[in-house]
Amino acid sequence: KQEVTQIPAALSVPEGENLVLNCSFTDSAIYNLQWFRQDPGKGLTSLLLIQSSQREQTSGRLNASLDKSSGRSTLYIAASQPGDSATYLCAVRWDRGSTLGRLYFGRGTQLTVWP
Amino acid sequence: EAGVAQSPRYKIIEKRQSVAFWCNPISGHATLYWYQQILGQGPKLLIQFQNNGVVDDSQLPKDRFSAERLKGVDSTLKIQPAKLEDSAVYLCASSLAQGSEQYFGPGTRLTVT
Repeated sequence: KQEVTQIPAALSVPEGENLVLNCSFTDSAIYNLQWFRQDPGKGLTSLLLIQSSQREQTSGRLNASLDKSSGRSTLYIAASQPGDSATYLCAVRWDRGSTLGRLYFGRGTQLTVWP
Repeated sequence: EAGVAQSPRYKIIEKRQSVAFWCNPISGHATLYWYQQILGQGPKLLIQFQNNGVVDDSQLPKDRFSAERLKGVDSTLKIQPAKLEDSAVYLCASSLAQGSEQYFGPGTRLTVT
């Protein structure tokens, strides 16, 4: 059964801290993994997409790593800002033929960065 | 580039009533998805279209939910009759092809009373 777990469920940090969000998944035969941000009352914004052949992806202050063998991905946010406050969702796509495309989401980590 | 458009943004109905949601994907995106997100949970795929054909509807409650994507562009998702447990945000997403990056719309928040 494909499952995605995110810990912690909530995180509160002061501005300027570097932080790590964790995502774990069952079954290492993934196709790719995508990190999203969701602001209250809004849809999902794609942050980073890591293909199964990649180890990490970077965009600005964000860095996502992928370790398929251990079934884990981390999202590293450098020098956090109050504007980073949102829910961060990890989603995995498994290589399963006709169901390729379906994203399995974790429950998310609700991040609060206070000034 | 215009993003994924959805309407309405909010809808309140009574149980046993029907409701329909509309989605316009990013131009040129062949794959369209409908997700259901219950409060406090991650989105769950309801149905996936490739052009105007259904690829995956294994998690769609077919006794009350239906969806179509005529002409391979816009899509509608319908619930008839609605139940209290259908209260959720319904998200539409699109991608160039199966397996490629998905882009989400703002969602429709449905409240069933």
